[in-house]
Amino acid sequence: AQSVTQLGSHVSVSEGALVLLRCNYSSSVPPYLFWYVQYPNQGLQLLLKYTSAATLVKGINGFEAEFKKSETSFHLTKPSAHMSDAAEYFCAVSAATAGKSTFGDGTTLTVKP
Amino acid sequence: DADVTQTPRNRITKTGKRIMLECSQTKGHDRMYWYRQDPGLGLRLIYYSFDVKDINKGEISDGYSVSRQAQAKFSLSLESAIPNQTALYFCATSARKGGLADNNEQFFGPGTRLTVL
Repeated sequence: AQSVTQLGSHVSVSEGALVLLRCNYSSSVPPYLFWYVQYPNQGLQLLLKYTSAATLVKGINGFEAEFKKSETSFHLTKPSAHMSDAAEYFCAVSAATAGKSTFGDGTTLTVKP
Repeated sequence: DADVTQTPRNRITKTGKRIMLECSQTKGHDRMYWYRQDPGLGLRLIYYSFDVKDINKGEISDGYSVSRQAQAKFSLSLESAIPNQTALYFCATSARKGGLADNNEQFFGPGTRLTVL
């Protein structure tokens, strides 16, 4: 069984500030972890993924996430927010050979000028 | 570009009507999925298919059916639509790299916004 909890359904930051979106997972087997982003009126697209290689994963648009097994976390960060980062972000967990993912409820990021 | 397309993009229908949502992909992926998105509930899996002859129920399959007509096509049907099926529906695909090498990264279509009155 696997599950994902995203802490905070809404996060608001000022332009240029640090972005931190939190994700905790539960999995009975070693997980694969993903962050997806959804811009208004669009489908989801992959930001980054952890697949048991390096624990610090770099993605597109300056985002990165660190896999911490002891904390069962995979938080998403970006040093400096940009207005274009405003979107909804989803964390997802998958088990090898499972063929499917479980998604969190999503976090809406607002960036204030 | 290889892509995942969904038709229609928007649909308004009435309670009791039969509705079909279609998904096509040119990525050559074996696996296809149908999700619904509701505000605050994230994405919930309705059905998934690992190949043409392998179709599985997801967590919320009641009231829905699917057909995998070909590797590239996966349709979702609402036999008798009801208002609480009003939602944004997404099709997704993933590649089966083989056994433990599979990481389940998914590629999404643009979504179909369905309103049931």
